[in-house]
Amino acid sequence: KAGVTQTPRYLIKTRGQQVTLSCSPISGHRSVSWYQQTPGQGLQFLFEYFSETQRNKGNFPGRFSGRQFSNSRSEMNVSTLELGDSALYLCASSTGTSGRSGLEQYFGPGTRLTVT
Amino acid sequence: KQEVTQIPAALSVPEGENLVLNCSFTDSAIYNLQWFRQDPGKGLTSLLLIQSSQREQTSGRLNASLDKSSGRSTLYIAASQPGDSATYLCAVIPLYGGSQGNLIFGKGTKLSVKP
Repeated sequence: KAGVTQTPRYLIKTRGQQVTLSCSPISGHRSVSWYQQTPGQGLQFLFEYFSETQRNKGNFPGRFSGRQFSNSRSEMNVSTLELGDSALYLCASSTGTSGRSGLEQYFGPGTRLTVT
Repeated sequence: KQEVTQIPAALSVPEGENLVLNCSFTDSAIYNLQWFRQDPGKGLTSLLLIQSSQREQTSGRLNASLDKSSGRSTLYIAASQPGDSATYLCAVIPLYGGSQGNLIFGKGTKLSVKP
């Protein structure tokens, strides 16, 4: 079974621009979560989507948004980029429902975003 | 508010040593606890998942324990190897105040195993 894939893997953008990152979950997984990882703050939860609905959102400004498609693929968008948005953005997928797997999260390789 | 702490932040050991990484969390109301490994600049690899009703899980040279009442988990690595060098992260899914896809992470322990 293929793992979680993220595209692009690396991205360089300029302040003020916007960016869209993509995540394809493991086949059969309906939950996709997004995380931001920075050296100072560590891993922080952005949002989770399940069956095309946002199920939870972390403490990030409205410039960060996301969506999920009917095939469970998800995108996140960051508008009006700031230097502080430079980070590794990770997505994770799980079945999204309780059961034997206990909601084990599987992570993709991440997208490294650099804002200059 | 759930907080996850990992001590120590960094650890250096000679090859072959057995070692223990610690993780503590402030609220025992968790769905599960998961240990991950992260190599520099890479994504997270799931090592072990312990559901709230379980006390421990084992995979190869790794053993993770969970004591919900005291808010602690340990990851035991037997006979460490240089290839074990990485950052180890623990994370919990809270029962309340979050959702099932909302992991709360510690800052990690950076392990270096010297040949």
